[in-house]
Amino acid sequence: EVQLVESGGGLVQPGGSLRLSCAASGFTFSSYEMNWVRQAPGKGLEWVSYISSSGSTIYYADSVKGRFTISRDNAKNSLYLQMNSLRAEDTAVYYCARDRSSGGPHDYWGQGTLVTVSS
Amino acid sequence: DIQMTQSPSSLSASVGDRVTITCRASQGISNYLAWFQQKPGKAPKSLIYAASSLQSGVPSKFSGSGSGTDFTLTISSLQPEDFATYYCQQYNSYPFTFGQGTRLEIK
Repeated sequence: EVQLVESGGGLVQPGGSLRLSCAASGFTFSSYEMNWVRQAPGKGLEWVSYISSSGSTIYYADSVKGRFTISRDNAKNSLYLQMNSLRAEDTAVYYCARDRSSGGPHDYWGQGTLVTVSS
Repeated sequence: DIQMTQSPSSLSASVGDRVTITCRASQGISNYLAWFQQKPGKAPKSLIYAASSLQSGVPSKFSGSGSGTDFTLTISSLQPEDFATYYCQQYNSYPFTFGQGTRLEIK
C-alpha cells in the first residue's frame, strides 16, 4: 500500500525556518517524481515544488523561489522541504504528493502537516 | 503562468442528480488536465488524469472530457459521499496551477 507521511510542521515566527519531511513506503520511491502542494486555511490548493526521481530537475512556484529548497534521499525513501525566511502567507497545510509513473500529477497524497507562521 | 478557472464556484444538488463542473485554461493545455476531490479535513484524492482517464479505484460515475482550453467533470447519480470540493489542475507546464475549486453541496 502506498503511504506518504509528512512531519515537521509547527508554529514558527516570521523570518524563521522549518524543515518538512515526507516518509514514503509501499512503492519504489527512487522511481517516482515528487511534489509539495500547500493549502492555506480555508483556501484552495497551491502547487509549491517538484523534484525528479533522481533529484536532478527541480521547479518552484514563484511565491517560494529563493526561500524554499526541495530535496530527496532515495536511500531513506524521504522527501524534504527546507523553508527559510517564512512569512505569514506561508501558513498552510503542506502535502507531499507522488506523480504517476506513466505521466500526470499527484496520484497519491500524504495526510499533510500544518505550518503556522505567526509571532 | 496558465490560469485555471472553474465554474461554478459552488453548486447545490440532490442525491441522485447528475452534475457537471467546468474548467477553462487561459491557454491551450492539450489534455494535460487532472481532477481532484477533497473532503473537509482530508487530503485531496485523484479522480481523473489526462482529461478523461479514470484513476484506479475511482467509480465510473466520474467522467472527464475536453481538450485544449475547455474541460468538464461530470458526476452521475450523486451519493452523499460525493459532496465535496473539486479542483482541476493543469500539468502542461510548470508552475502547475489549480482552479479555485467547486464546492458541491447537498440541496
